[in-house]
Amino acid sequence: AQSVSQHNHHVILSEAASLELGCNYSYGGTVNLFWYVQYPGQHLQLLLKYFSGDPLVKGIKGFEAEFIKSKFSFNLRKPSVQWSDTAEYFCAVNLLTGGGNKLTFGTGTQLKVEL
Amino acid sequence: KAGVTQTPRYLIKTRGQQVTLSCSPISGHRSVSWYQQTPGQGLQFLFEYFSETQRNKGNFPGRFSGRQFSNSRSEMNVSTLELGDSALYLCASSLKQGFEQYFGPGTRLTVT
Repeated sequence: AQSVSQHNHHVILSEAASLELGCNYSYGGTVNLFWYVQYPGQHLQLLLKYFSGDPLVKGIKGFEAEFIKSKFSFNLRKPSVQWSDTAEYFCAVNLLTGGGNKLTFGTGTQLKVEL
Repeated sequence: KAGVTQTPRYLIKTRGQQVTLSCSPISGHRSVSWYQQTPGQGLQFLFEYFSETQRNKGNFPGRFSGRQFSNSRSEMNVSTLELGDSALYLCASSLKQGFEQYFGPGTRLTVT
């Protein structure tokens, strides 16, 4: 079955530490890839997206992600996290061959940044 | 542009009842998708509507249904509510197939 895996369920970092969250998917077809963030008490917000082209994409708030097609991975990175980055992060995949919009989400990674 | 809006924001229902949730997409977006978010199952796709037609459907029982109106507003209905239907129901809109989806704040449904 098609799936999206996020390897880290809970991550605790100190401010200024570097962040990398893993995401792997199992689709064989053409996909669009996304990272969404859910801050406490807020709704899901788009962090960044990959459709095609340069596999290194930059998003909001200093986040970036790298698409590695051979590894079916789309890992999220940030060089230096801030306390305000405390949130839940979701990787999501939209398989294009089926038509329409149907996001499959990973289970999410709860990030806590300590001062 | 105004974002995706959902009403009501909170709802408490009793087992066996039915409920209707409403979603207004971003102006110009014709694709509306619904998702269920629970602590145990995470975010799961319910269905997607485009131009008043259901284009995709997730693995949920027939008690879950939806529709879209000509102005792209969408409703979802859950009949014969069960305790396990307690969840945050999210609506998202998108401009085109494969494009990013923008999410609303959700409707928190509690079934007692």
